[in-house]
Amino acid sequence: ETGVTQTPRHLVMGMTNKKSLKCEQHLGHNAMYWYKQSAKKPLELMFVYNFKEQTENNSVPSRFSPECPNSSHLFLHLHTLQPEDSALYLCASSQNPSGGTYEQYFGPGTRLTVT
Amino acid sequence: QKEVEQDPGPLSVPEGAIVSLNCTYSNSAFQYFMWYRQYSRKGPELLMYTYSSGNKEDGRFTAQVDKSSKYISLFIRDSQPSDSATYLCAIAETGANNLFFGTGTRLTVIP
Repeated sequence: ETGVTQTPRHLVMGMTNKKSLKCEQHLGHNAMYWYKQSAKKPLELMFVYNFKEQTENNSVPSRFSPECPNSSHLFLHLHTLQPEDSALYLCASSQNPSGGTYEQYFGPGTRLTVT
Repeated sequence: QKEVEQDPGPLSVPEGAIVSLNCTYSNSAFQYFMWYRQYSRKGPELLMYTYSSGNKEDGRFTAQVDKSSKYISLFIRDSQPSDSATYLCAIAETGANNLFFGTGTRLTVIP
């Protein structure tokens, strides 16, 4: 266990559904991240939160909506997804990089299939 | 040009072999270098973390950074079947949240 948990581990949803992914970190970190991992592609950074404030949105379509209520919890709300959104969605956390620490610790991921 | 290039493999070696995994990068501003291991159906797990040039050793694993060549390596000595996984390199600039990942090299160690 890395101290980062994600639920659900697997999710199948239709294109008209609305669902949410949840991430929780128990490491005392203050930065949290959402990544998308597709086959044969590098991890794609989607969103970054530092101290609950969103600091990066890497041109992610609006059908993905993040929420960070506190430094330990991160959500990704999904609606009207497309089949090409099927992927492994990974949550990660770290200390805030301004402190010079960059190691990111990942959760197990949610395997999402859009039908 | 990609920020980080990594040979995707796959790479198969016999148990006990020395494994060399490599990445090249393009931006000389990168200062932080990491290697992650990802087992099938799991999230990436941090293996090694180095700052700037040089070597770092942890058990059977050695991470090496050559900033002049923009080249990083991970060596695995006495490889074991349990080392079979995908290995990802990740690189970052000072003060940035953004890690640039390679595509990963899939390694299989054959008993």
